[in-house]
Amino acid sequence: AQTVTQSQPEMSVQEAETVTLSCTYDTSESDYYLFWYKQPPSRQMILVIRQEAYKQQNATENRFSVNFQKAAKSFSLKISDSQLGDAAMYFCAYRSNSGTYKYIFGTGTRLKVLA
Amino acid sequence: GAGVSQTPSNKVTEKGKYVELRCDPISGHTALYWYRQSLGQGPEFLIYFQGTGAADDSGLPNDRFFAVRPEGSVSTLKIQRTERGDSAVYLCASSLGQNSPLHFGNGTRLTVT
Repeated sequence: AQTVTQSQPEMSVQEAETVTLSCTYDTSESDYYLFWYKQPPSRQMILVIRQEAYKQQNATENRFSVNFQKAAKSFSLKISDSQLGDAAMYFCAYRSNSGTYKYIFGTGTRLKVLA
Repeated sequence: GAGVSQTPSNKVTEKGKYVELRCDPISGHTALYWYRQSLGQGPEFLIYFQGTGAADDSGLPNDRFFAVRPEGSVSTLKIQRTERGDSAVYLCASSLGQNSPLHFGNGTRLTVT
């Protein structure tokens, strides 16, 4: 069975600085997607960025980028020029691209942004 | 446009009671998911619908939990004989297809007293 591990329960970053959130996963599959979701206090999960496993190029979305290391099964999220609005829970998620399409989430990292 | 709507936003019930949680997905979204999120945890998969049928119900914890989606749109998660351990936020999400992004609702916070 696939698993997703986020080893940092909480991280802090100064406003305008850069922070990296870690995520590792375990799977025997070769075709899958990886995601980072943001969950503010409103509870609604918002997609931040996604990566297709067969693409070697790391995904980027404005200030958000990932470091995808397929062999190491690592998928970290880098947030550049951190803003107060980035403060939230961040969840790493895995989804197989065959068979079941359920998403498997990690336990989350709470990001605090300091003014 | 309208997003995923979940009602009620909060539900308090007594141990042993029956509850129904409703999810209105985005119009046209064929895939619908239910997740349970306990305090301080990540979302835990419960069930996934593709159209009207449950494509994967492997996450339902026991036979007290049941979900339906009779017309391939609105879904209801039903919990019988509720227990205090059922207290959590229940999240619903939908997507247009297998390669489309997942859109989440705001969740229903269930409290069993």
